[in-house]
Amino acid sequence: SQQGEEDPQALSIQEGENATMNCSYKTSINNLQWYRQNSGRGLVHLILIRSNEREKHSGRLRVTLDTSKKSSSLLITASRAADTASYFCATALYGGATNKLIFGTGTLLAVQP
Amino acid sequence: DAGITQSPRHKVTETGTPVTLRCHQTENHRYMYWYRQDPGHGLRLIHYSYGVKDTDKGEVSDGYSVSRSKTEDFLLTLESATSSQTSVYFCAISGPTANTEAFFGQGTRLTVV
Repeated sequence: SQQGEEDPQALSIQEGENATMNCSYKTSINNLQWYRQNSGRGLVHLILIRSNEREKHSGRLRVTLDTSKKSSSLLITASRAADTASYFCATALYGGATNKLIFGTGTLLAVQP
Repeated sequence: DAGITQSPRHKVTETGTPVTLRCHQTENHRYMYWYRQDPGHGLRLIHYSYGVKDTDKGEVSDGYSVSRSKTEDFLLTLESATSSQTSVYFCAISGPTANTEAFFGQGTRLTVV
């Protein structure tokens, strides 16, 4: 089974609203990352939060990490139609120098204009 | 895109034939990954590499092998292609340390008939 599970699987909102996506994982991690994928394209990195950090901001993105609950959330504020995409969390697993990077199943975000 | 090229971009092959996908990077990054993406499964890690000739299995490695004889090239081989290996394959790179983002190639769409 996969390390990361996103919730919800799909989300539809109106332009200007905030979008929140959640990610749960199973094992100890070095860091957790969020990626975006536009239809048919490769993934693009959005933000990385280390295991000793609790919150991080980048532009309209806010990410939180709760290692005690093994969960993270991605908040996109003031969403735009251009934010329509799939969003994935990925965990870099703890241990050694191997940097195994495991992705979740993704959240499909649709922002209606 | 961050100096990462996948080839071929599209391929149709017959069941039972061997297939090799190539990932080439110009970033001198340490870590390289092969993922497959299927509807409802997100990205699943097939194999990854943490150095020249250093590779390890991911979540769905059965039926796949990899080789990394040079820093810049990571080859994924389907030893005897099956219809269940029809998928979109993504290569990713990251480095030089563990706590860094990954950069993705544009993907290879493989169809096994």
